[in-house]
Amino acid sequence: DAMVIQNPRYQVTQFGKPVTLSCSQTLNHNVMYWYQQKSSQAPKLLFHYYDKDFNNEADTPDNFQSRRPNTSFCFLDIRSPGLGDAAMYLCATSRDSGLAGREQFFGPGTRLTVL
Amino acid sequence: RKEVEQDPGPFNVPEGATVAFNCTYSNSASQSFFWYRQDCRKEPKLLMSVYSSGNEDGRFTAQLNRASQYISLLIRDSKLSDSATYLCVVNRREAGRRALTFGSGTRLQVQP
Repeated sequence: DAMVIQNPRYQVTQFGKPVTLSCSQTLNHNVMYWYQQKSSQAPKLLFHYYDKDFNNEADTPDNFQSRRPNTSFCFLDIRSPGLGDAAMYLCATSRDSGLAGREQFFGPGTRLTVL
Repeated sequence: RKEVEQDPGPFNVPEGATVAFNCTYSNSASQSFFWYRQDCRKEPKLLMSVYSSGNEDGRFTAQLNRASQYISLLIRDSKLSDSATYLCVVNRREAGRRALTFGSGTRLQVQP
C-alpha cells in the first residue's frame, strides 16, 4: 500500500547530540512537510518542500534543518537538541497543484525524547 | 488572537447524540479548509474537506461560512469510535508561499 513511513518511531537522544529523523513516501507526492507536535497542542509546521523548493516557517529555530535528496525522502536534522525539542515529529505529504492546497497524508510520527 | 481557534473541550456526549464543533479563523485570505481526526498518540487523518457549499459524508456534515470566518463539523448518531480529537486546518497562500495552520483541536469523548 502507498504510504508515508517514518523512522525511527521512537528516538532518544542526549541534550546537544545531533539527531536525524527520516521520512519516506511511496505516494509520489510533490510536497513534503515536517510538523512538531507537543502534548495537547496543535501540530506546528516547521517547514515544507514544494518539489525541491524549501519553505521555512518564520518562527522555526535555526536548530532545525531539512534535506530532501529526492522525491521520496525527506530528513529532519536537529543540530543541538534541547529539552524543549522533545515532541512528536510528524511528516506529511500532499499532491499539490499550486492552488489552495490538498489533503495531507501523515506518517505515524517519531517521538523524540531528549535526556 | 490565534489564527485558528477551537474550543478544546472535552465534549462528553452519550452514544447516539448529535454534537457540533466550530472553528474560527482570522485570515480572510484563507482558501481551503479541512477537518482531521487524531486519536491519542497517533497521526492526524483526514476526516473531510470543507467546501463552500457544505458537504456531508455519512453521519458527518461540514459547513463553511466565509462571511463569519468559521467552519463547523456536525456528527450525528455518535459512536464510541468517534472519540478522538478533531483538528481544524486552514490553508492559504501568501506571497507565493503556502501557509497551513492547525487548530489545537477539540476533544470528543462518546460515552456508553
